[in-house]
Amino acid sequence: DAGITQSPRHKVTETGTPVTLRCHQTENHRYMYWYRQDPGHGLRLIHYSYGVKDTDKGEVSDGYSVSRSKTEDFLLTLESATSSQTSVYFCAIKGANQETQYFGPGTRLLVL
Amino acid sequence: GENVEQHPSTLSVQEGDSAVIKCTYSDSASNYFPWYKQELGKRPQLIIDIRSNVGEKKDQRIAVTLNKTAKHFSLHITETQPEDSAVYFCAAGSAGGTSYGKLTFGQGTILTVHP
Repeated sequence: DAGITQSPRHKVTETGTPVTLRCHQTENHRYMYWYRQDPGHGLRLIHYSYGVKDTDKGEVSDGYSVSRSKTEDFLLTLESATSSQTSVYFCAIKGANQETQYFGPGTRLLVL
Repeated sequence: GENVEQHPSTLSVQEGDSAVIKCTYSDSASNYFPWYKQELGKRPQLIIDIRSNVGEKKDQRIAVTLNKTAKHFSLHITETQPEDSAVYFCAAGSAGGTSYGKLTFGQGTILTVHP
C-alpha cells in the first residue's frame, strides 16, 4: 500500500491536551496531505506540503498545525484538542510527476 | 475554491444491476477527476480516474464519463457484485501548476449490493 504508515492508529485524549499525528512514507514523494473524514463531509483537506519545510493551509486548517522537516515525515499537531476534532485522519502522498494520491491507513482520534 | 457535490448519498442495488454515481464540480480549471473506493475501516483506494481531455474511460466493469461543459462526471458500475459494496468518493483537482495536486472530494456514496 504505497509505503505509507500513520501513527498512532488509534488515540483517545482529553479536551485541551496537545496531540501529534505522524505520517511516514518510504516513496520519497514530494507532496503530502492531511485530511479528516467525517460522516456526510467526505474527505476534507487540513494542510498539505509541497516539499521539506514547505506547507500551506487547506479548507479546514483552524486548530491544526503541521511540520515537515524531512521528506519522509509529515506531522499534524492539534495544539489543544477539542471534541469537534474527533475524527478519522488520513495522510496521503503524491509523486511530483503523478496525479494519483495514495492514502495511509488512517488514525482514529477520539477527544473526550 | 472548488466545490464538489455528489449524489446519491446512498444507493442500494441488486446483484447484477448497474449503479451510477454522479458528481458536479464548480471550478472550470479542474482537469483531473479520480474516484476512490473505501471499504469499511479501510483507506480510500483509487479505482479509476479521468482527465479533462478524455470524455470516457473504462476498466472492466467500471467506467467514468466526463462532461466538461456541464461540469459533471459520473461513475458507472455494471454487473454489480456484493464485493462492490463500499463508500465511493469522487474528487476534482488540477494537475500541474501551483495547485500542488490538491483534491476536493464529494461527500461520498454508500453503495450496497444485495445478493
